[in-house]
Amino acid sequence: NAGVMQNPRHLVRRRGQEARLRCSPMKGHSHVYWYRQLPEEGLKFMVYLQKENIIDESGMPKERFSAEFPKEGPSILRIQQVVRGDSAAYFCASSLVPTGIYGYTFGSGTRLTVV
Amino acid sequence: ELKVEQNPLFLSMQEGKNYTIYCNYSTTSDRLYWYRQDPGKSLESLFVLLSNGAVKQEGRLMASLDTKARLSTLHITAAVHDLSATYFCAVDRDYQLIWGAGTKLIIKP
Repeated sequence: NAGVMQNPRHLVRRRGQEARLRCSPMKGHSHVYWYRQLPEEGLKFMVYLQKENIIDESGMPKERFSAEFPKEGPSILRIQQVVRGDSAAYFCASSLVPTGIYGYTFGSGTRLTVV
Repeated sequence: ELKVEQNPLFLSMQEGKNYTIYCNYSTTSDRLYWYRQDPGKSLESLFVLLSNGAVKQEGRLMASLDTKARLSTLHITAAVHDLSATYFCAVDRDYQLIWGAGTKLIIKP
């Protein structure tokens, strides 16, 4: 069981570039969640997706950020025209059912640095 | 708005001692989670507490949940250096986890 796979582990982007973060959920999990963690803080919810559907994107910034979870392939979190404030660790989690009764499994995260 | 508060935020202790981390939350929730995070690493699930009065233990860690008081505790017994990490509690609001700020635990040999 490979767990939740995120890549890349580290990503460096210059201001104004695009960042693409990928997440493959655990086998059998069809619910994916993205969280952002700033240094020395807890995680903040960004978006919840099921296959081909965005269920809740209430935590996503209104501009520059988008997420998808296509029928085939990993979930993608896309940040356009990155700014220094986007530097953070981005974690993906997946679950078997759309509640946490069986818990959420987290990936190793992508650490984004904007220079 | 659901808020989750942990205390203390920082804890330095000697090996062999006992201590408790507290997690308060502001509105009703039936599920509470404890996670461990090592520096630069992902979040490791420790406990999922699903009901009032739930108590779970794993090794030197024991977690409990009082939904009426909106309080969870993580108790560390006879701490060892390997338990040094940051510990987070999180409360489930539907499918969103609302996180505490974390407790950074340093255990000195």
